[in-house]
Amino acid sequence: AQTVTQSQPEMSVQEAETVTLSCTYDTSENNYYLFWYKQPPSRQMILVIRQEAYKQQNATENRFSVNFQKAAKSFSLKISDSQLGDTAMYFCAFTTFHYYGSSNTGKLIFGQGTTLQVKP
Amino acid sequence: DTGVSQDPRHKITKRGQNVTFRCDPISEHNRLYWYRQTLGQGPEFLTYFQNEAQLEKSRLLSDRFSAERPKGSFSTLEIQRTEQGDSAMYLCASSGYSAYGYTFGSGTRLTVV
Repeated sequence: AQTVTQSQPEMSVQEAETVTLSCTYDTSENNYYLFWYKQPPSRQMILVIRQEAYKQQNATENRFSVNFQKAAKSFSLKISDSQLGDTAMYFCAFTTFHYYGSSNTGKLIFGQGTTLQVKP
Repeated sequence: DTGVSQDPRHKITKRGQNVTFRCDPISEHNRLYWYRQTLGQGPEFLTYFQNEAQLEKSRLLSDRFSAERPKGSFSTLEIQRTEQGDSAMYLCASSGYSAYGYTFGSGTRLTVV
């Protein structure tokens, strides 16, 4: 079975500091995508960053970057210069990708989430 | 296009009643997904449509749940004979060719009393 595990239910960080959220996953597939989503309280899920498994280079989006370790099946998110608006629940997610056939549904498997509180 | 719309935003219903939720995806997206999210947990996949065809259903989707996507446009999710355990946020998402461009709606929060 494919699973995603986030072992940190809650984290906090001071404004302007750096924080790293952990995620591990389990799959026997070779082609897949990994994502970090942000869900502010009572608001919709927003994509933060994504990584294709075949790319060795870690993805970066402004203050957000990932540390993708394929062999270890680890996918952590680093938030630099934390801002109050980063306060939210963060979900790690995974989907397989198949170049051929109809099995490429694109359904996401999510972790349990990490609640991040940025303190002023 | 303003994104994925879900209606209603909130629904309170008595146990045993039927409820129906609607999702309007981004118009050019052919893939549509329903997820269920309970408080403090990650979303769980319920079902997937490619155009009007329902291609995958989770084991979470009991016989009381049914989803449709007529003409490959909007989708509805119906829950019959609701139970308290059905209380959750129901999320809809759509994407184009692959999961690369997922867009989520704001969800429908269901409370069964």
